[in-house]
Amino acid sequence: GEDVEQSLFLSVREGDSSVINCTYTDSSSTYLYWYKQEPGAGLQLLTYIFSNMDMKQDQRLTVLLNKKDKHLSLRIADTQTGDSAIYFCAESPNAGNNRKLIWGLGTSLAVNP
Amino acid sequence: GAGVSQTPSNKVTEKGKYVELRCDPISGHTALYWYRQSLGQGPEFLIYFQGTGAADDSGLPNDRFFAVRPEGSVSTLKIQRTERGDSAVYLCASSLGTSGRAGEQFFGPGTRLTVL
Repeated sequence: GEDVEQSLFLSVREGDSSVINCTYTDSSSTYLYWYKQEPGAGLQLLTYIFSNMDMKQDQRLTVLLNKKDKHLSLRIADTQTGDSAIYFCAESPNAGNNRKLIWGLGTSLAVNP
Repeated sequence: GAGVSQTPSNKVTEKGKYVELRCDPISGHTALYWYRQSLGQGPEFLIYFQGTGAADDSGLPNDRFFAVRPEGSVSTLKIQRTERGDSAVYLCASSLGTSGRAGEQFFGPGTRLTVL
């Protein structure tokens, strides 16, 4: 079945790196996503990775994909207080043109000054 | 440019009433998705439209839920005989297409539905 799991909380000090982990179950997923949700704001796509890649870097963000273990991680370098938010991992199972997203529960990141 | 908009932003209704939630996608986006997010949960897929047709409605919880997109743009999610368990934030997303970068979904701010 389809299931995405994440740890619920992470607390880091400002300036440190944050690593948020996610596991998924659908090996056919072609795209894997990280979204950010701030209080009172909509879901914002941070980055995504195609299943034939194992790493993607975008400024302070690094995504690692271990397809064998169905494990995805998001590393945020030099974490700032403005990075405090809920981070969702989502997979898009291979369903033809349907790119519906299956979501984890979200990891609440707290950045302490 | 305008993003995805949803109206109303908040809706409070009584158990048993009928509600309609509206989504205006980004102009030119052919794919439209509805999700709902309960407190402390991730979004849950409800329905996907490609153009005017509902290509996948497997996420609709039961037959009290229905959605339309008659002209391939604006979509309305309709909930009959609302129940307290329907209380959630209903999210709409649209994408330009479904391949590669075009499949990136842009989300609206959501409609918070409260059923008393």
